[in-house]
Amino acid sequence: SQTIHQWPATLVQPVGSPLSLECTVEGTSNPNLYWYRQAAGRGLQLLFYSVGIGQISSEVPQNLSASRPQDRQFILSSKKLLLSDSGFYLCAWRAVVPGPMVQYFGAGTRLSVL
Amino acid sequence: GNSVTQMEGPVTLSEEAFLTINCTYTATGYPSLFWYVQYPGEGLQLLLKATKADDKGSNKGFEATYRKETTSFHLEKGSVQVSDSAVYFCALSSSGGSNYKLTFGKGTLLTVNP
Repeated sequence: SQTIHQWPATLVQPVGSPLSLECTVEGTSNPNLYWYRQAAGRGLQLLFYSVGIGQISSEVPQNLSASRPQDRQFILSSKKLLLSDSGFYLCAWRAVVPGPMVQYFGAGTRLSVL
Repeated sequence: GNSVTQMEGPVTLSEEAFLTINCTYTATGYPSLFWYVQYPGEGLQLLLKATKADDKGSNKGFEATYRKETTSFHLEKGSVQVSDSAVYFCALSSSGGSNYKLTFGKGTLLTVNP
C-alpha cells in the first residue's frame, strides 16, 4: 500500500533562517506531488505541484521554492523565512491513473516563525 | 475558472443531530467532486467522492449527491457523533485543461457537543 511521510511534524524557526521540509511517498511510481499551506483559520492554498523529477510549477509568487530531486521526494525550501510563512504545510500525492483525481495527504508540518 | 463555495462556519451541533454542509461549485466540463475531512492537528483524509451527475458518494454515515442542475454537492449525515468534530472541505477536479489540481472550498468547522 502507499504511504506518505512528512517531517518534521512541528518546527519553530526565527525570522531570516532557512527552511527545508521534506515529503516522501512509498508504494507508487511517478506520482504527482503537491505542497499546500493552510494559514490559521483559513483554507488550503496550493503552493507548488510537480508532475515529474525536476518539474516544478509554482502557483503563487512568494518566499518559498520547491524541488523534486527524486521520483518520490518533494522538498519545500526557503532561504530566509518571514513571519508570514507561519502555517500548516501539507504535502499530497496523486497516482497518475485514469479516473477521479484523488489526492492523498500527509500529516502536515506546523511551522511557527518567530 | 473553477471555484468551490462552502457554507461559512463554524457549525455547532448536539450529538445525534442532523448535519448538512452546503457546497456549490463552478467548473467547466464535468468535474469530479470530493469531500475531505481534517481532524484536529492532522492532514486531510478523503471522506467521499462522486464522478458524474446523480452519483451519490457515501462513507462513515456521510452522504453527498452530485447535482449537476444545481451545481451542488451538499454533505449530509443523519446522526452526528462527537468524533465527527473536524473541518470539512469540499473540492473539485476539472475534467480538462489543468487537471493536475484540486480546487478546494475554504472549509467548514464542525463541532459536535455531547
